[in-house]
Amino acid sequence: GQQVMQIPQYQHVQEGEDFTTYCNSSTTLSNIQWYKQRPGGHPVFLIQLVKSGEVKKQKRLTFQFGEAKKNSSLHITATQTTDVGTYFCAGSISGGYNKLIFGAGTRLAVHP
Amino acid sequence: DGGITQSPKYLFRKEGQNVTLSCEQNLNHDAMYWYRQDPGQGLRLIYYSQIVNDFQKGDIAEGYSVSREKKESFPLTVTSAQKNPTAFYLCASSKTGTGIFTPQHFGDGTRLSIL
Repeated sequence: GQQVMQIPQYQHVQEGEDFTTYCNSSTTLSNIQWYKQRPGGHPVFLIQLVKSGEVKKQKRLTFQFGEAKKNSSLHITATQTTDVGTYFCAGSISGGYNKLIFGAGTRLAVHP
Repeated sequence: DGGITQSPKYLFRKEGQNVTLSCEQNLNHDAMYWYRQDPGQGLRLIYYSQIVNDFQKGDIAEGYSVSREKKESFPLTVTSAQKNPTAFYLCASSKTGTGIFTPQHFGDGTRLSIL
């Protein structure tokens, strides 16, 4: 079946360092969504990418969707302790409705 | 204040017992979903429903059942056939429509454990 692989599984950074998490799909995706889950909380939607090669920014967060629509990345510049949590990518396949395939997530720890 | 309410927050199941997790939304969303989350893993889809009185199995439906009698409600029953039910269960909802991809809104989850 369709899979979305996400790496790394864990990332520890010092506050102020940059952070990147990567997603790769075995099949072409129609779109990709990113969610953040704080420790003990529930996933919260961050952004959706739809177009090939699309890049979107939210303050210190930069999201990219690959040209082949099979990979995506999330980059955080100058991490802060408020960035702590697990970041999930989730993709949908063409022709389907809003059924998401989630990656396993990258857990980010930020040391002050 | 619109949102998704899951209850209870914590639930304990005895051997051979069925338990039902509640999920209610007042976002007027047509689609609702149930996910299971295990430590260190992503979300795996159990069941989903696009419209009232209709639902489909997700990737790990065995040992679970659902109903969708009202637009606002999508309860999940964990049956005794589910041999490893200990997990964090998340309910979500979204707008729907073929070819339309919209954000999913999640409840706070229910933590289920075996006694």
